[in-house]
Amino acid sequence: QVQLVQSGAEVKRPGASVKVSCKASGYSFTSYGVHWVRQAPGQSLEWMGWIHPGNGNAKYSQKLQGTFTITRDTSASTVYLELSSLRSEDTAVYYCARQSGGWPGWWGQGTLVTVSS
Amino acid sequence: QSDLTQPRSVSGSPGQSVTISCTGTTSDVGGYNYVSWYQQHPGTAPKLMIYDVGKRPSGVPDRFSGSKSGNTASLTISGLQAEDEADYYCCSYAGTYTFDNYAFGTGTKVTVL
Repeated sequence: QVQLVQSGAEVKRPGASVKVSCKASGYSFTSYGVHWVRQAPGQSLEWMGWIHPGNGNAKYSQKLQGTFTITRDTSASTVYLELSSLRSEDTAVYYCARQSGGWPGWWGQGTLVTVSS
Repeated sequence: QSDLTQPRSVSGSPGQSVTISCTGTTSDVGGYNYVSWYQQHPGTAPKLMIYDVGKRPSGVPDRFSGSKSGNTASLTISGLQAEDEADYYCCSYAGTYTFDNYAFGTGTKVTVL
């Protein structure tokens, strides 16, 4: 069955960087896009961007672009989200989700990133 | 900074129907037939319940239905059950020629009385 397993929780200082991984299994990795969505504590969801693992082409939210990078490693069936210059406002649960019918359909368990001095 | 407006909460008794609205603009809900709905129980990842306005993924009960009129989309839960108590988020494609974008709603807490 489709599974997306994300890396564990992270605690970072302001200004630091973090790389969150999302390992896919149970389907053809290069055939479906993978989205990243974040959720700050007690808040709604915010779409960040997505990547097509087949060609590595990534698209980013116009609002958020420049603050993170989405990449993939096809040999490891893994998609990565790298956040740089972290601020306290980046504290959130970060989810990866495989496309289903064009939408974030199959979700990982989420990775909590806490930014605190 | 959610872009789509939902009521903060709705409630109903078991067996009743509830409807959640999701209001956007011509740049998102009104401009595309690309609206989805997600259910999220506390501490868990969201689950896709409806996509492309009114389509249900495999495994989602037919008690859940979606529709759209103008700039407002709606999710109706018929025959409310205890396990339907959760937060629900609408989502609309809101891309432009240059950028992809998906706008989420503010979220609605459904309470089963």
